[in-house]
Parts: sequence; C-alpha cells; structure tokens
Amino acid sequence: GEDVEQSLFLSVREGDSSVINCTYTDSSSTYLYWYKQEPGAGLQLLTYIFSNMDMKQDQRLTVLLNKKDKHLSLRIADTQTGDSAIYFCAERDSSYKLIFGSGTRLLVRP
Amino acid sequence: DTGVSQNPRHKITKRGQNVTFRCDPISEHNRLYWYRQTLGQGPEFLTYFQNEAQLEKSRLLSDRFSAERPKGSFSTLEIQRTEQGDSAMYLCASTSVANYGYTFGSGTRLTVV
Repeated sequence: GEDVEQSLFLSVREGDSSVINCTYTDSSSTYLYWYKQEPGAGLQLLTYIFSNMDMKQDQRLTVLLNKKDKHLSLRIADTQTGDSAIYFCAERDSSYKLIFGSGTRLLVRP
Repeated sequence: DTGVSQNPRHKITKRGQNVTFRCDPISEHNRLYWYRQTLGQGPEFLTYFQNEAQLEKSRLLSDRFSAERPKGSFSTLEIQRTEQGDSAMYLCASTSVANYGYTFGSGTRLTVV
C-alpha cells in the first residue's frame, strides 16, 4: 500500500539551512507536497512538485525529487525562528487524495 | 474569498452524544476532503466528494460516521454515539480539477469526555 515516511525531528541554528527528508512508495504519484503546521492550526501549503521535475525553487524553499529512489526533500535557506513548526510531506495518489507522512518537527534555535 | 472555513473550532462532548461539523470550501473548488489527525500523527484520509457525489470512503470511517455535501457546496461530517477514540482534529480541504494545490481549513478539534 501507499506509505510516506519522514524523520521525526530536526534541530537547526537560526540562519542555517534546514533539510527535511521524505520517502514515498507509490511510484504512480504525480504530485508531491510539503505542508507546514503550527500548533493548533490547520495545514499551510508551502509548495508542490510535479513528478517529472527534479527540482523546484520558491524563494527560501527548494524541493528536490529523486523519482528513482522515491525520495523528496525540502530545503529551507536562512532558517528563522518563525519556521519552527511541523512539516508534512504528502503524495497525491491515483484517486486524487493526499497521503501524508507523520511529520517532521523543526526546531530553530536562536 | 477567505479560504476553507470550518465550524466549530472546538467541540467538547460527552461519550455517546452525536456531533456535527461543517466545512465551507473555497467557492470554485469542486472537490472536498475530510481528514482526521491525532496527536503526533499526520492527517489520515476519511472521505472525499466531487461536487455532491461521495466518491471514496476510508476503511477508517466506521458506520457511526457520515458525511454529506448536499448541493456541492458546504459539507457536514456527523459522528454518532461518539467514543473517546474519536477525539482528534478533523480537517477539511478543498481543491478543483484544474488546481493542484489542496487548501486546508483550520480544523475542528473534538474532545470526547
């Protein structure tokens, strides 16, 4: 079945780059997503990438996709304390629903 | 348009009571999704609608759960005879066929005591 896995926790110093990794299993996934969730809030769409792309950049965010290894990463440049949150990776399956990982908690230390 | 709206934000209910949540999607979005999120987990798919048609239901959705989208606009999710295990955040999302981004609401947090 479909499964999305992420590491649980990442701690970085303010100003450094953060890299959050994700692996997925559904080779037919056409779109892959990154969402951010702050405490008590819903999910905020950060970016998504089409499966025929290797990379997508959007301001401080860079998404890298290795389709052969089914590996997705999100790099946040110049990480700020406001970036502290839980980051979810998700794949869109063949019936157009999103399958989420368990989330990576990012802690940015001053 | 203010995005996806969910009401209420919080609901505390006694075990055995029925509860109903409402989701108002972005007006031009024809697809609407319900998810459930428990502490420390990612959202889990429950069900989704395209217009007024309910196209898929998760095996997680027991027969105590029912969802409707009567006119293809807002949706309701009802839980009958609530159990403590139903305590979670219930999230609604919407998108359209031409749009690849899924917009989530702020969720309804249900606590069953």
